[in-house]
Amino acid sequence: GDSVTQMEGPVTLSEEAFLTINCTYTATGYPSLFWYVQYPGEGLQLLLKATKADDKGSNKGFEATYRKETTSFHLEKGSVQVSDSAVYFCALRHGNNRLAFGKGNQVVVIP
Amino acid sequence: NAGVTQTPKFQVLKTGQSMTLQCAQDMNHEYMSWYRQDPGMGLRLIHYSVGAGITDQGEVPNGYNVSRSTTEDFPLRLLSAAPSQTSVYFCASSTEVGNTEAFFGQGTRLTVV
Repeated sequence: GDSVTQMEGPVTLSEEAFLTINCTYTATGYPSLFWYVQYPGEGLQLLLKATKADDKGSNKGFEATYRKETTSFHLEKGSVQVSDSAVYFCALRHGNNRLAFGKGNQVVVIP
Repeated sequence: NAGVTQTPKFQVLKTGQSMTLQCAQDMNHEYMSWYRQDPGMGLRLIHYSVGAGITDQGEVPNGYNVSRSTTEDFPLRLLSAAPSQTSVYFCASSTEVGNTEAFFGQGTRLTVV
């Protein structure tokens, strides 16, 4: 079945550092891919999305490119802020419209 | 712009008690779903609905019931709460048109003692 794999473990980095969170997927066909962000005590919010191969989603300085050849959708930000501290989830959706989520990565940005 | 509204935000139950988690959306979305979030497990789908009167099971449906009598509401019922159901529960909705994003509620933190 469809699945999403995110890199293991929390990510701790200093303010203004470069952030990368890896995401790979397994699916038949061409799913849409999403990154959701969950701030402390809140629900999930859509951060960005891409619906076809080579699309680049971007929002709030974050970017991710839909790579069909490597089945990846890595999230990047060039200069993180303390306010970016949150949990980030990669997800895919297609066909029956069911979302499949990765396990999430806690990101902690230190001033 | 209420979006997806979940109630209550917090709940403590004793083992064996029943309760209903409420979810309502005002976006006229056909598709609604319930997830539970547990540490290190991500979000797992409990039940979902593609429209009023239609529901189906997700990955972890045991111990939960749902119904969808209206487009707006999708309550989740715990029939006999167990400590294993201690979790944070999220309701989500989206259009039926394929490949669109889902909108999430704020979550319900449930503790079963």
